[in-house]
Amino acid sequence: QLVLTQSPSASASLGASVKLTCTLSSGHNTYAIAWHQQQSEKGPRYLMKVDSDGRHSKGDGIPDRFSGSSSGAERYLTIASLQSEDEADYYCQAWWGTGSWVFGGGTKLTVL
Amino acid sequence: QVQLQESGPGLVKPSETLSLSCTVSGYSMTSGYYWGWIRQPPGKGLEWIGNIYHNGKTFYNPSLMSRVTMSVDTSKNQFSLIFYSVTAADTAVYYCASLNYGGTASWGQGTLVTVSS
Repeated sequence: QLVLTQSPSASASLGASVKLTCTLSSGHNTYAIAWHQQQSEKGPRYLMKVDSDGRHSKGDGIPDRFSGSSSGAERYLTIASLQSEDEADYYCQAWWGTGSWVFGGGTKLTVL
Repeated sequence: QVQLQESGPGLVKPSETLSLSCTVSGYSMTSGYYWGWIRQPPGKGLEWIGNIYHNGKTFYNPSLMSRVTMSVDTSKNQFSLIFYSVTAADTAVYYCASLNYGGTASWGQGTLVTVSS
């Protein structure tokens, strides 16, 4: 069973950078994941897909400040030059089996 | 650009059946992709409910599959969710979405369903 683990919360200052982590359960370190952003009172928005080799492909209109990377079983979302509108919940999501999805518990990012 | 729009009742009584539909525009469902339902209880995270392919093949969350059925109507470019025997714990915002391994994804805006008598 694939499980995605995220820290419940993170914080960083306006203008700084932050790196969020999504950890794949044992035996699944070759899996790609996607990152989704959910601002307060809004629906989720797709940010990017991150492959196990660190390559990432972003969705339409996603600013260059957002990037993805990988190391072993960890998948990262880095946000540079933090802006107030980046304060949101961030979810990682993976594909498993032949057609199923799984979500991490989400990380609430606070911009100080 | 793929767009999805959920529709259905906002209020359902306990023990009754919840039915939701998702209309897809900007893309023909028969061209591929998996089409899914995800829910989010108030103040909680995202929970995958299930997916359906255009040929009707379904994949369900094991924890919910005993109460869920999904179907597709390619003539209307729609897919649907039926949730049986709902309780207050099924109160949530329900999203339809297409999250594709190839790196494209689309979300509906979500619809709040409240289970209450």
